[in-house]
Amino acid sequence: EAQVTQNPRYLITVTGKKLTVTCSQNMNHEYMSWYRQDPGLGLRQIYYSMNVEVTDKGDVPEGYKVSRKEKRNFPLILESPSPNQTSLYFCASSFSGQGKRGYTFGSGTRLTVV
Amino acid sequence: QQQVKQSPQSLIVQKGGISIINCAYENTAFDYFPWYQQFPGKGPALLIAIRPDVSEKKEGRFTISFNKSAKQFSLHIMDSQPGDSATYFCAAQPGGNNRKLIWGLGTSLAVNP
Repeated sequence: EAQVTQNPRYLITVTGKKLTVTCSQNMNHEYMSWYRQDPGLGLRQIYYSMNVEVTDKGDVPEGYKVSRKEKRNFPLILESPSPNQTSLYFCASSFSGQGKRGYTFGSGTRLTVV
Repeated sequence: QQQVKQSPQSLIVQKGGISIINCAYENTAFDYFPWYQQFPGKGPALLIAIRPDVSEKKEGRFTISFNKSAKQFSLHIMDSQPGDSATYFCAAQPGGNNRKLIWGLGTSLAVNP
């Protein structure tokens, strides 16, 4: 089944403790992206990657890092999490073909930083 | 600066009624306008999309109406069902290799049985 897999689904951590949220896609998509979703603010792009070893900042990159060493994986790293990074995070990969283009999203990671 | 403005923020419709969600955009470089549907606990999923060279696209009970001159597009859900209760996002995408989506803020739809 074509999918984007994120782990973990839920995470509670303390301020300052480094964490990584993993994202993997099995569709051979070149473009991948991370979003955070907050009430009233919609979906905001954190980072994106056009291909292996090519990453760039989205709209809200502060406090986050990413890497793209393999095509299928695009982990999101919070080096020193803070409470304002408490949010619902989504990884997505982009598809294009048969007249359609769009994103396939993972099921989300709900992060709480205390 | 919100480049895609979506309204209403929330919507309550009776079963069998028509749900209408509106979006307006500013950038004339956009050439693809998708709608995404998100159920609680899930990621958004592509529902239907339109290009600006057509004024309407229909897939089942879902229809996009597009007004290029007014820079507006809307989602119509005919015969709305309780299973349609979800958050709906409109978006816009520039042409070429730019994959970035510009998102509306979402509309929470509740369809009462």
